[in-house]
Amino acid sequence: RKEVEQDPGPFNVPEGATVAFNCTYSNSASQSFFWYRQDCRKEPKLLMSVYSSGNEDGRFTAQLNRASQYISLLIRDSKLSDSATYLCVVNDPSTGRRALTFGSGTRLQVQP
Amino acid sequence: DADVTQTPRNRITKTGKRIMLECSQTKGHDRMYWYRQDPGLGLRLIYYSFDVKDINKGEISDGYSVSRQAQAKFSLSLESAIPNQTALYFCATSDSTGSETQYFGPGTRLLVL
Repeated sequence: RKEVEQDPGPFNVPEGATVAFNCTYSNSASQSFFWYRQDCRKEPKLLMSVYSSGNEDGRFTAQLNRASQYISLLIRDSKLSDSATYLCVVNDPSTGRRALTFGSGTRLQVQP
Repeated sequence: DADVTQTPRNRITKTGKRIMLECSQTKGHDRMYWYRQDPGLGLRLIYYSFDVKDINKGEISDGYSVSRQAQAKFSLSLESAIPNQTALYFCATSDSTGSETQYFGPGTRLLVL
């Protein structure tokens, strides 16, 4: 079983749509959670951290469910520029919280 | 100027050759990482270093070695390249005194023939 699992997609949605991505992680000892965004052939960049209480940044909302070991990302009012791959990331407790484990990503294509 | 740079950006080499990928950062971070990315597999950690004297193996270190020449420089070597090392390689940095956010270089595309 992969440590971080994501639906690879692609998710094809029209502009203005709301889309949600899910992610599950296997290690209950993980303490830090993130969503990164990666454009085609580019480096990953931090989109947002995920906090226990849930957090929002503009059109983006992240949720964490520790009991189910589940993380979600909601994108409202999708823009063409949101087209990218979204990586779910959790810390690796075996390294004392100092290294991260990346999911293989969910690809989003927003269409006009 | 980019905070994390990688050289070369693209490299084609032959099986059995030794190659080195270099990473430099101007962010002043103490932690540095090397990952490879393959289609469908996501990013996998090769090696990581938390300071100049600290080197740790990651998930897939076999066939690779690293050198932390200075706080700002972390190089990855393939002693004898093989075709299944064809991948996109990323260097990343993070700050031990701040969040765990990692900042990535632009990547090196490596093709081993």
